Amino acid sequence: EAQVTQNPRYLITVTGKKLTVTCSQNMNHEYMSWYRQDPGLGLRQIYYSMNVEVTDKGDVPEGYKVSRKEKRNFPLILESPSPNQTSLYFCASRPLTGGGYTFGSGTRLTVV
Amino acid sequence: AQTVTQSQPEMSVQEAETVTLSCTYDTSESDYYLFWYKQPPSRQMILVIRQEAYKQQNATENRFSVNFQKAAKSFSLKISDSQLGDAAMYFCAYRRRPLQTGANNLFFGTGTRLTVIP
Repeated sequence: EAQVTQNPRYLITVTGKKLTVTCSQNMNHEYMSWYRQDPGLGLRQIYYSMNVEVTDKGDVPEGYKVSRKEKRNFPLILESPSPNQTSLYFCASRPLTGGGYTFGSGTRLTVV
Repeated sequence: AQTVTQSQPEMSVQEAETVTLSCTYDTSESDYYLFWYKQPPSRQMILVIRQEAYKQQNATENRFSVNFQKAAKSFSLKISDSQLGDAAMYFCAYRRRPLQTGANNLFFGTGTRLTVIP
């Protein structure tokens, strides 16, 4: 089944403790992206990658890092999480030439 | 900058009736995609329908259809014969079509929560 897999689905952590949210897709998509969803704000892009070793900032990159060492994986790293990063996070992928995105199931992150 | 506006935070519809969700967007581009995504309580983001701006014909997917008015920059979603399973948050989204750096962002509206009344 073609899908984007995110882990974990839920995470509660403390301020300053580094964490990684994993994202993997099995569709050989070149383009991958991370979004955060907050009430009243819709989804906003954090980082995106157009291919292996090619990443760039989205609209809200502060406090996040990403890497793209393999085509299928695109982890989101929070080096020192803060409470304002409490949010619902989505990973998404699509072919470089295509229009539609496939989204992961989301990761609910709470930073206390 | 591209913006997407959904002016209806909440809508409700009687089961089997028709409802229209509104979306407007702002862009200086002529070639782009528009999307409607559905987010049920499971929070999965599900693509409902897609429209390419160069196509004049409105997209249709079963009970879902759009009214795309390019000059007015309007992209509304019509749900016919509403079902209980249609209850969800609906997001309108925009993306530029050209494959240029920075052109790949999917801009979302703030969403419309649809309630279906039995």
